[in-house]
Amino acid sequence: DAGITQSPRYKITETGRQVTLMCHQTWSHSYMFWYRQDLGHGLRLIYYSAAADITDKGEVPDGYVVSRSKTENFPLTLESATRSQTSVYFCASRVDRSQETQYFGPGTRLLVL
Amino acid sequence: KQEVTQIPAALSVPEGENLVLNCSFTDSAIYNLQWFRQDPGKGLTSLLLIQSSQREQTSGRLNASLDKSSGRSTLYIAASQPGDSATYLCAVNTNAGKSTFGDGTTLTVKP
Repeated sequence: DAGITQSPRYKITETGRQVTLMCHQTWSHSYMFWYRQDLGHGLRLIYYSAAADITDKGEVPDGYVVSRSKTENFPLTLESATRSQTSVYFCASRVDRSQETQYFGPGTRLLVL
Repeated sequence: KQEVTQIPAALSVPEGENLVLNCSFTDSAIYNLQWFRQDPGKGLTSLLLIQSSQREQTSGRLNASLDKSSGRSTLYIAASQPGDSATYLCAVNTNAGKSTFGDGTTLTVKP
């Protein structure tokens, strides 16, 4: 039971480059989420998806793009990375929008130089 | 816009002490509230999930309460242990499926 995985776990890139962070879950959960966590702070929602082909903006969506062609995958793309996007990115999933818990991946540490 | 505040930001206690972590939120129209634990460099692990219709949930030495009308939740940890040292985050969930997190309380339990 692999659960929810993220790749890569660590990434260093340069300003202006495109970066894609991958998220994969094995539970067929409907809902998936992308958060960023900056040093000393809680998590802020970037984008979320209620089902395949359905995505919506969260609190801080600017500079990010998501897609969800398959239920199990929810990639996050930084179209042109900026230093302010240096952060730890967490993917999460939940069975649906109801009363169940969110399950989190291990995170991707991204450094933009 | 929902805002979630956790007080204190950091807490240091001797082993064996009982302690309370606080979480407050501005919009009481929530679906449920969840407490998470995060160890340094790791992801989040769910501790307790309280539905909006519930007053409290218990798991082992942990007890979480919810007062939706006043916009408050507490996480009570009994007989703290060094292994409880971590950052504790609360998240408020709406019926639209979105979550708003507090900044967390970093707990250190000294042997």
